[in-house]
Amino acid sequence: GAVVSQHPSWVICKSGTSVKIECRSLDFQATTMFWYRQFPKQSLMLMATSNEGSKATYEQGVEKDKFLINHASLTLSTLTVTSAHPEDSSFYICSARTENSYEQYFGPGTRLTVT
Amino acid sequence: KNEVEQSPQNLTAQEGEFITINCSYSVGISALHWLQQHPGGGIVSLFMLSSGKKKHGRLIATINIQEKHSSLHITASHPRDSAVYICAVNGGSNYKLTFGKGTLLTVNP
Repeated sequence: GAVVSQHPSWVICKSGTSVKIECRSLDFQATTMFWYRQFPKQSLMLMATSNEGSKATYEQGVEKDKFLINHASLTLSTLTVTSAHPEDSSFYICSARTENSYEQYFGPGTRLTVT
Repeated sequence: KNEVEQSPQNLTAQEGEFITINCSYSVGISALHWLQQHPGGGIVSLFMLSSGKKKHGRLIATINIQEKHSSLHITASHPRDSAVYICAVNGGSNYKLTFGKGTLLTVNP
């Protein structure tokens, strides 16, 4: 089946530093990748949609200069949290879809803690 | 009002019981997804359906497009089924998902 990986699975960083999270589709080409964040006991919140080779589309209220998304290939998208603050601490999940399909394959998530 | 409503919010069952989780939506959809998330874990896609019924092991998902309603059934529930079950829809031709708030299922041995 289609597998999506994320790296790292968890990360602790100091306030003010930047953190990069990778999302890879291991056995298929991902036309579109989605980035979500999830706070404890809440549902997923879509942050942005990224298509390979083009700029990401951010949801309202998500700062594009703070959450940098790069989708450089059909198997890799990265989310960089710049100048992280404790309020950025969250569970970040990516998903990927192939062309002409509504199916989304989710990564295992990355838990970010900013101290 | 959320476009996707799930019920119940919380459900506790004894091992072996038949479980039903419901999902209602208010928009036209292209597909409906049932997702599972264990505590502290990632999201697993259980089903994607746009009509009828699908079955995988002890899990069954049904959808009624006219009534804008879907159900997820678990037969012979087991403690390892304890998780949050999330209903999500693709509205229209939108590839983005709109999520329900989830149903926390606890199955006691």
